[in-house]
Amino acid sequence: QSALTQPAAVSGAPGQSITISCSGSSSDVGLYNFVSWYQQHPGKAPKLVIYDVTKRPSGVSTRFSGSKSGNTASLKISGLQAEDEADYYCCFYADSSTIFGGGTKLTVL
Amino acid sequence: QVQLQESGPGLVKPSETLSLTCAVSGYSISTGSYWGWIRQTPGKGLEYMGSSYHTGQTYYNPSLKSRVAISLDTSKNQFFLKLRSVTAADTAIYYCVRLSGGSYSWYFDVWGRGTPVSVSS
Repeated sequence: QSALTQPAAVSGAPGQSITISCSGSSSDVGLYNFVSWYQQHPGKAPKLVIYDVTKRPSGVSTRFSGSKSGNTASLKISGLQAEDEADYYCCFYADSSTIFGGGTKLTVL
Repeated sequence: QVQLQESGPGLVKPSETLSLTCAVSGYSISTGSYWGWIRQTPGKGLEYMGSSYHTGQTYYNPSLKSRVAISLDTSKNQFFLKLRSVTAADTAIYYCVRLSGGSYSWYFDVWGRGTPVSVSS
């Protein structure tokens, strides 16, 4: 199972929206909705922000949303805030073959 | 509120076995969910190592399967990671995690703070 592909970095100004992509294949992301997204601030553990492609855990801001088209899943953050500056990772769960993306560093300008 | 806390030696010698414990509070591991380990290195990012259910069902990353073992102690509400024959490439931050979901779709909804482990003589 190959790693999922994410852009290394994205940036946006406060109040703007950004989208982070996560590219897989027709045998993983394209086949099942087993995609989750994690936010990680420096020196902290990752935090779940989206699961099952589009679902948001209780307590996560409604500014976070997820979607999927073909073999690519996406995380959108609307109304960017300074606190959103972090690393973001996508993940495809498949029992022993669970894989992560390489991570995307979000900079809030 | 479910909390996980890793513990174990921060330094392990090459060829020895890395052993970590994850103490769970606020939830009984015998109730359900999978319990697992994820590690993070600057070079390889996040890597899923494996997980175990209280019934004994386990899943291991194929790249580590020959060296890794995850087990649960429901009486102590803890679970464990053992990684044999370590090398410098196993130097990482190790996180214990709870997996939630079901029906084939699982996700990591609770994470420990992580514990750094260095492999060096």
